[in-house]
Amino acid sequence: EDQVTQSPEALRLQEGESSSLNCSYTVSGLRGLFWYRQDPGKGPEFLFTLYSAGEEKEKERLKATLTKKESFLHITAPKPEDSATYLCAVFGQGGSEKLVFGKGTKLTVNP
Amino acid sequence: GAGVSQSPSNKVTEKGKDVELRCDPISGHTALYWYRQSLGQGLEFLIYFQGNSAPDKSGLPSDRFSAERTGGSVSTLTIQRTQQEDSAVYLCASSSKTVSYEQYFGPGTRLTVT
Repeated sequence: EDQVTQSPEALRLQEGESSSLNCSYTVSGLRGLFWYRQDPGKGPEFLFTLYSAGEEKEKERLKATLTKKESFLHITAPKPEDSATYLCAVFGQGGSEKLVFGKGTKLTVNP
Repeated sequence: GAGVSQSPSNKVTEKGKDVELRCDPISGHTALYWYRQSLGQGLEFLIYFQGNSAPDKSGLPSDRFSAERTGGSVSTLTIQRTQQEDSAVYLCASSSKTVSYEQYFGPGTRLTVT
């Protein structure tokens, strides 16, 4: 069964203080690993898809990386508007079309 | 362009009543998914549609839950005889699949069963 574990559950940063969020996964044949951002009261907003180990993608202050066992979301010089819950999900080859999500990391960036 | 829309945004119902939740996917997206998000839990998969067919219903928690999709577009999730444990945010997502696997989510329907 595909599984995703995210850590830490919550992270508080000062504005400008860079850090990383972790997503560890087990999946039978990875078709894609996804990062989403979710603001309170809203649906998840798509950020990145990573398909193979070694792949990296960047968007503004965010950079996602992928290994065979985990993915990292690096946040460089965060701003208060980066505060949100960040969700990681995997899409495997196990015959199901569903995304399997982790429980998320709640990021708070203080000014 | 227009994203995924869901209605109603909020629904309060009494235990035992039936409810219908609606999802309008992104135009042209053939794949549609329903998920449930409960407090403190991750997103939980419910059902997947490809066109009007539902090849994966494995996440539906009981036979009180059903869903249909018509015209390869709008989908309705129906919960019969609602229970308090059905209270959650119900999220719909759609994907083009022929382009990529990314799923795009709607804003969700917050269901409260009293």
